[in-house]
Amino acid sequence: GAGVSQSPRYKVAKRGQDVALRCDPISGHVSLFWYQQALGQGPEFLTYFQNEAQLDKSGLPSDRFFAERPEGSVSTLKIQRTQQEDSAVYLCASSLTVDTQYFGPGTRLTVL
Amino acid sequence: QKEVEQNSGPLSVPEGAIASLNCTYSDRGSQSFFWYRQYSGKSPELIMFIYSNGDKEDGRFTAQLNKASQYVSLLIRDSQPSDSATYLCAVNPILTGGGNKLTFGTGTQLKVEL
Repeated sequence: GAGVSQSPRYKVAKRGQDVALRCDPISGHVSLFWYQQALGQGPEFLTYFQNEAQLDKSGLPSDRFFAERPEGSVSTLKIQRTQQEDSAVYLCASSLTVDTQYFGPGTRLTVL
Repeated sequence: QKEVEQNSGPLSVPEGAIASLNCTYSDRGSQSFFWYRQYSGKSPELIMFIYSNGDKEDGRFTAQLNKASQYVSLLIRDSQPSDSATYLCAVNPILTGGGNKLTFGTGTQLKVEL
């Protein structure tokens, strides 16, 4: 079966541009997570959805970051007015139970 | 103090040897513990999870948990060059009842040499 997919895989943005990153979770997975992974670091939690409800957004670094999952399936992470420090790999993960989070391939964002 | 600490390595072991990867965590409320493998340029892949004190074995991998010492480790027996990757330790404060965020360490780079 299909795993978690993310698009685009690579995104280059000029500083100040808005970007939108998409995540398609595994079908039927109610939980969806976004993480940010800087080079040489472990993933850091951004936000968590259970179905369409955003239950935890404590990891979003600023109000420039916004995530949604309006129909409880596909999710979009939006970053407004991108800054150089936003450059990272953005990972999406989905899970059916608390035991296993399945990660997508990630979107590598480079802000020039 | 970081919530989850790992030695960044690299840890070099010869092919066929046992690789021992260690992780400590600061939140005593942590209930479940995970080891992920991440190849360069790829996304994390779950190897094992453990909830209870003691050992849990799966093939060549053994996870060990000591909650009193706030310590979790991963042993890889008969290490192969294909095991060369970064190993991420992650903890989750929730045992059951729905998903919750994972807190990751920075990862330990393992190199298995021929």
